[in-house]
Amino acid sequence: AQSVTQLDSQVPVFEEAPVELRCNYSSSVSVYLFWYVQYPNQGLQLLLKYLSGSTLVESINGFEAEFNKSQTSFHLRKPSVHISDTAEYFCAVSDLFSGGYNKLIFGAGTRLAVHP
Amino acid sequence: EAEVAQSPRYKITEKSQAVAFWCDPISGHATLYWYRQILGQGPELLVQFQDESVVDDSQLPKDRFSAERLKGVDSTLKIQPAELGDSAMYLCASSERRGGYEQYFGPGTRLTVT
Repeated sequence: AQSVTQLDSQVPVFEEAPVELRCNYSSSVSVYLFWYVQYPNQGLQLLLKYLSGSTLVESINGFEAEFNKSQTSFHLRKPSVHISDTAEYFCAVSDLFSGGYNKLIFGAGTRLAVHP
Repeated sequence: EAEVAQSPRYKITEKSQAVAFWCDPISGHATLYWYRQILGQGPELLVQFQDESVVDDSQLPKDRFSAERLKGVDSTLKIQPAELGDSAMYLCASSERRGGYEQYFGPGTRLTVT
C-alpha cells in the first residue's frame, strides 16, 4: 500500500520569501500525485496534480511541484509567498485497487504560516 | 460552478447519541467518498461508493458507522453510538467516474462529541 510522508509539520515564512513544502511517497510502478490546500474550517481544494508527462506541474496561483521518481518526491514550491497563502497543505498519492478504483492516501499535512 | 454540498457544517452531540451527515455530490459524479480528518492529521478514507454500491469500506468502523447511497446520488453517513474519539471533520468528495483521479471535496462537517 502507498504511504505519504510530509517532512515538515509547520513552515513559518515571511511574506515575499520563497518556500518549499516537502513530500515523499512510497515507491510504486506508476503513481499519481496531488497537492491539496485547506483553509480553516473548509474542505480541500486541489492545487495541482501530476498524472503523466512533464515532471514539473504548475498551479494558477504561482505554486509548482516537481515529480522526482528517483527520489520518490513531489515537493511543492513557490518563489514568493503572500499572506493569503497561509493554510494547511496536503500531499496525496493515488492508490489503485481491484476493479479499477482508486483512493487517495494523504500525508499528515504541512501548516504554512506566512508572516508580514 | 458545481460544488459538493454537505450538511450540517457543525454538529455537537453527546457520547452515546446517534448522529448523521448528508452529502450531495456534483451532479453526474458516479463515485462518492467519505473521509474522516482528525485534527492535525490528513484525511483518511472511510468508505467509497460507485453509484449505489460500496467498493471500499475497509477502514469504516462497522460496529458503529454506516453509510448508504440508496439511489446512487446523495449519501448519508451515520454514527451510532457516538464516542469521544469520533470528534473530527467528516469530508465528502466526488469524482466523475470510476478511476477518476480528480476528487472534489465539500466543505465538511465538524463533529464534536462531548
